[in-house]
Amino acid sequence: EPEVTQTPSHQVTQMGQEVILRCVPISNHLYFYWYRQILGQKVEFLVSFYNNEISEKSEIFDDQFSVERPDGSNFTLKIRSTKLEDSAMYFCASSGWGARRNQPQHFGDGTRLSIL
Amino acid sequence: TQLLEQSPQFLSIQEGENLTVYCNSSSVFSSLQWYRQEPGEGPVLLVTVVTGGEVKKLKRLTFQFGDARKDSSLHITAAQPGDTGLYLCAGAYQGGSEKLVFGKGTKLTVNP
Repeated sequence: EPEVTQTPSHQVTQMGQEVILRCVPISNHLYFYWYRQILGQKVEFLVSFYNNEISEKSEIFDDQFSVERPDGSNFTLKIRSTKLEDSAMYFCASSGWGARRNQPQHFGDGTRLSIL
Repeated sequence: TQLLEQSPQFLSIQEGENLTVYCNSSSVFSSLQWYRQEPGEGPVLLVTVVTGGEVKKLKRLTFQFGDARKDSSLHITAAQPGDTGLYLCAGAYQGGSEKLVFGKGTKLTVNP
């Protein structure tokens, strides 16, 4: 069964450094998402991406964050200058036609980001 | 702020018992998904419900969507140790938003 794949599974970075998290969504999907889950807390929405642009973002997704689909398969999340509070599990998800058409989102196994 | 309340937060039962997990909101969903999440892994989709009053079955799991599309339930019949895990509900709210809002999850333990 097709799946969303994320790399790396664990990233350890010094505070202030840039980090790029990578995702390969399911191949025929059109909507892409990033969520994060701080240890012990709910999964939180960060951003959705469709047709090569951001379609929606949360208040967490400030100027330090950016997303890109550099080619036909990868979808990346960049954090420009990491802070301690960015430590979390970051999940990528993809869906066929988005929530407006009631399409479910399929999640990858996440990247655990640890900021030192 | 859209809130999705999930209850109970923890549930520990014996093998063979039945259980129900609830997911409630004051807002209307366009769709709602139930996921199961294992430690260190991503949420795995169990089911999507879309129509008010809809009931879907997945082996011993029964999912129901409320008539007003503001609540949902997951019922497990004759629970087994393999059902142990974290169950999450996540809804997409009516109004065109693409984001999913997640509940806190229900950590289920089924003891042999």
